[in-house]
Amino acid sequence: RKEVEQDPGPFNVPEGATVAFNCTYSNSASQSFFWYRQDCRKEPKLLMSVYSSGNEDGRFTAQLNRASQYISLLIRDSKLSDSATYLCVVNVPNQGGKLIFGQGTELSVKP
Amino acid sequence: DAGVIQSPRHEVTEMGQEVTLRCKPISGHNSLFWYRQTMMRGLELLIYFNNNVPIDDSGMPEDRFSAKMPNASFSTLKIQPSEPRDSAVYFCASSFTGTRQSAFFGQGTRLTVV
Repeated sequence: RKEVEQDPGPFNVPEGATVAFNCTYSNSASQSFFWYRQDCRKEPKLLMSVYSSGNEDGRFTAQLNRASQYISLLIRDSKLSDSATYLCVVNVPNQGGKLIFGQGTELSVKP
Repeated sequence: DAGVIQSPRHEVTEMGQEVTLRCKPISGHNSLFWYRQTMMRGLELLIYFNNNVPIDDSGMPEDRFSAKMPNASFSTLKIQPSEPRDSAVYFCASSFTGTRQSAFFGQGTRLTVV
């Protein structure tokens, strides 16, 4: 089983739609979780951290389910500019700041 | 405030040649990562340094790959000899080890081995 797994997509949605991405991780001891965004031919950039209680940043909501070992990202009222690949990131316990990335989920928002 | 700086941005080389990729992490960060990204395999962690010491190099594909971090502000990833299958985008990232510390990426080096 991969350490971090995501549905690769692509997800093709119209502007204004709500879209959700899920990610599962294998190490139950992981403590830090993030969502990154990567635009075509660019470097990954931090979108948001994921906290146990769930957190929201504008149109983006991230949630963590420790019991089921999955993380989700919800994007409401999607914009054309949201088109990108979204990467789920999990730390490896007891190895300092080591981070493992999922394969990414591609999102395409159409007019 | 400068981010992670990588050089070169693009590299085209012939099979069998030595390739050296360079990275300057964000000042004050104590963890440095080298990742490789391809369409087929996504973003793979090659090696990870903490306080200039290699902690985990299990992702390094084979002996042709080596990485060094002689000081807190510089790291290299070397491929010798290079092969066409090494063609990929190589990213360097840095972070400050601690609770919930995410990593910041450089713009990457796009390597093409012909």
